[in-house]
Amino acid sequence: SQTIHQWPATLVQPVGSPLSLECTVEGTSNPNLYWYRQAAGRGLQLLFYSVGIGQISSEVPQNLSASRPQDRQFILSSKKLLLSDSGFYLCAWSVLGGVNYGYTFGSGTRLTVV
Amino acid sequence: AQSVTQLGSHVSVSEGALVLLRCNYSSSVPPYLFWYVQYPNQGLQLLLKYTSAATLVKGINGFEAEFKKSETSFHLTKPSAHMRDAAEYFCAVTPGDTGRRALTFGSGTRLQVQP
Repeated sequence: SQTIHQWPATLVQPVGSPLSLECTVEGTSNPNLYWYRQAAGRGLQLLFYSVGIGQISSEVPQNLSASRPQDRQFILSSKKLLLSDSGFYLCAWSVLGGVNYGYTFGSGTRLTVV
Repeated sequence: AQSVTQLGSHVSVSEGALVLLRCNYSSSVPPYLFWYVQYPNQGLQLLLKYTSAATLVKGINGFEAEFKKSETSFHLTKPSAHMRDAAEYFCAVTPGDTGRRALTFGSGTRLQVQP
């Protein structure tokens, strides 16, 4: 079966420090992968999506970047965190086509920048 | 481009009452539509989805939604609320047949269930 792993679950980082959040998917190949952010009391904002290794599309200009070094690995990074980067980060993967069409989300990372 | 509007950021119902969470969408192509539920500090769990088959979609936990193209709506309902239904609910849309295929979410509706 397909599973998605996201870590760490919580993170407290000082302003100006680097960031690396990792997401891996098991049980599927060549998935579409996504990073979303949920700010306090707000909906989910798409940050990045990837349709293959090394292929990253950025939706919102920001302090963050994403990379996909392997087929089932998606990494969200920052060189210097800002207070405004605080939020709940969700990784997702999708199956496009067929009866199983859908999007599956990881359990999320709560990032607090202090 | 796609967008989703969820009317009512907070909805409160009594246990056993009807749950109605409203979702209206805008899409330039035939949409696929989803409802997700989020419990505190957790990821999103799929409740149900519409992918151009039956317009009345039944999901988990007794929820269902009806796709109404003429009204551009996909409202979520449940006949009888339980305390465990208290959570935040998100409606999302994606173009069903184009390349971008990322979900666009509404701002969410927090459902409270009163005993």
